[in-house]
Amino acid sequence: DAGVIQSPRHEVTEMGQEVTLRCKPISGHNSLFWYRQTMMRGLELLIYFNNNVPIDDSGMPEDRFSAKMPNASFSTLKIQPSEPRDSAVYFCASSSRTERNQPQHFGDGTRLSIL
Amino acid sequence: AQSVAQPEDQVNVAEGNPLTVKCTYSVSGNPYLFWYVQYPNRGLQFLLKYITGDNLVKGSYGFEAEFNKSQTSFHLKKPSALVSDSALYFCAVGGGRGSTLGRLYFGRGTQLTVWP
Repeated sequence: DAGVIQSPRHEVTEMGQEVTLRCKPISGHNSLFWYRQTMMRGLELLIYFNNNVPIDDSGMPEDRFSAKMPNASFSTLKIQPSEPRDSAVYFCASSSRTERNQPQHFGDGTRLSIL
Repeated sequence: AQSVAQPEDQVNVAEGNPLTVKCTYSVSGNPYLFWYVQYPNRGLQFLLKYITGDNLVKGSYGFEAEFNKSQTSFHLKKPSALVSDSALYFCAVGGGRGSTLGRLYFGRGTQLTVWP
């Protein structure tokens, strides 16, 4: 089985540019999570979806961040405009919502550097 | 509200010795507890989980964890550490009253270093 697929793996861009991160969850999973990992703040939950519907976006840092899930097999996290403090590793994870106790499965992340 | 504490940022152990990575949790009701491992430049990988039943849970790569309800702990253990076990370990909790289905709360992680 293919795991969670994220693209790109690495992104380097200049401040002010728009950044789009992509995620393909595991087929059949109906919950999707976006996390951000930094040395200072550890692993932070940004937003999560159940059945393509955003459930909690309270972790999204500010209005520059937006996330969409147009269908069950694709999600994007967009930053516009980007700032150097957005530099981090961004992870996407998916799980089966049917069972409460199912683990989340993580992609290998996108390492984002904003210059 | 659910939360997890990993009291040690780093754990160092010699190869062949037993290892313990500590985790305590706070949740109303019955928790679901997980351990994950993260290797450099990789995502978190699921190791094991406790849902109900036997307090000693066995997982991947020879790891096990012991659920202790009275101490609200879920420590990760391995009888004999390997250098290849060196990685970042995360404890997570889900479930509990009022929690949203599927959401997990992660600790800050413990860096395990196994010396040859």
